[in-house]
Amino acid sequence: AQRVTQPEKLLSVFKGAPVELKCNYSYSGSPELFWYVQYSRQRLQLLLRHISRESIKGFTADLNKGETSFHLKKPFAQEEDSAMYYCALTNNAGNMLTFGGGTRLMVKP
Amino acid sequence: DVKVTQSSRYLVKRTGEKVFLECVQDMDHENMFWYRQDPGLGLRLIYFSYDVKMKEKGDIPEGYSVSREKKERFSLILESASTNQTSMYLCASSFNTANKYNEQFFGPGTRLTVL
Repeated sequence: AQRVTQPEKLLSVFKGAPVELKCNYSYSGSPELFWYVQYSRQRLQLLLRHISRESIKGFTADLNKGETSFHLKKPFAQEEDSAMYYCALTNNAGNMLTFGGGTRLMVKP
Repeated sequence: DVKVTQSSRYLVKRTGEKVFLECVQDMDHENMFWYRQDPGLGLRLIYFSYDVKMKEKGDIPEGYSVSREKKERFSLILESASTNQTSMYLCASSFNTANKYNEQFFGPGTRLTVL
């Protein structure tokens, strides 16, 4: 069975500090991974997907198959990054997502 | 602009009541999903539908049923609400293609309280 683990429920950093939100997964096939974000009073939305190898709002995430991880990183956190972040894994058919428990990021001024 | 709407933002019901949560999307998406969102547990899939009148159970279908009579509308039904169904319910939709990277678009959520 596929599983996504986000070990930190809350991560608090100061503005300008580096951020790393951890995500580990277990999956028997070839994983497709995503990060979704929910800002205060907004709906959940896609932040980035690993296949795109893109940087969105300064965030990047690298898939490490050896460590089965997909950590989200940003070198310099901004106050507007404060939000709830969810790591997610799709099944082989690509139509169902399994989400982690989420990490609340708080960026203090 | 993709729009997924949910019929209510807040709902308060009593134990044993039948509850209907409605979701509508306007992007002609084939897939529609119902999740519940609980602190520390993330989002858990209740049911999803890949076509009209088609449905598949997710991870936590017990106590819930769904209906998809039209492509744009997906309803979640709690036949007899219980207090442990107090939660935030999120609806989502996506295209159904061979592309495994299809983004899911979410509604604003319905916060259901069962007394």
